[in-house]
Amino acid sequence: DAMVIQNPRYQVTQFGKPVTLSCSQTLNHNVMYWYQQKSSQAPKLLFHYYDKDFNNEADTPDNFQSRRPNTSFCFLDIRSPGLGDAAMYLCATSRTQYQETQYFGPGTRLLVL
Amino acid sequence: GESVGLHLPTLSVQEGDNSIINCAYSNSASDYFIWYKQESGKGPQFIIDIRSNMDKRQGQRVTVLLNKTVKHLSLQIAATQPGDSAVYFCAEIDQTGANNLFFGTGTRLTVIP
Repeated sequence: DAMVIQNPRYQVTQFGKPVTLSCSQTLNHNVMYWYQQKSSQAPKLLFHYYDKDFNNEADTPDNFQSRRPNTSFCFLDIRSPGLGDAAMYLCATSRTQYQETQYFGPGTRLLVL
Repeated sequence: GESVGLHLPTLSVQEGDNSIINCAYSNSASDYFIWYKQESGKGPQFIIDIRSNMDKRQGQRVTVLLNKTVKHLSLQIAATQPGDSAVYFCAEIDQTGANNLFFGTGTRLTVIP
């Protein structure tokens, strides 16, 4: 089945230690998104790629970076995780960037010690 | 800015009853709406969508109603089952072209057996 896959499902890191979360998709969608979701809150968009074109949200901290080496894969890099970065990180895809449904992966829950 | 809000943060229903989850939005440029279901520890799952040229759309056991006059939409779940217990988010996309989802705060539906 075509899907959005996130690895790992759970990630533990230390305060200040860089961490990378990964997302892959078999939908062949042009757009990939990264969201941060904290407990009992709605997902918050961090950034997205339309093909190779990177689009950062204005309030996304510089501590968060992303890479998309090809259509199928997208990575979220947190350069120096703080305790406040503990959250669920969700990857989503859409076919295009014009009023298209976004399909979400299962998420990676990040714990910062 | 856009605001997509839900009237009730929690909703409890008896198994077999119908559920109605409401959502208000404030951006009159919104013309595409999506309902997502999010179970604990999982990513949001697409349920149903509706565009602004419609006022009703039906799926399997779910119906979405859109009232553009009062900027309100609702999700109706028929014959609610224990597996329907989850947090439900409405999300909207406006006409400006970017595919950014604006999520509401979410309603937690609990189905009582």
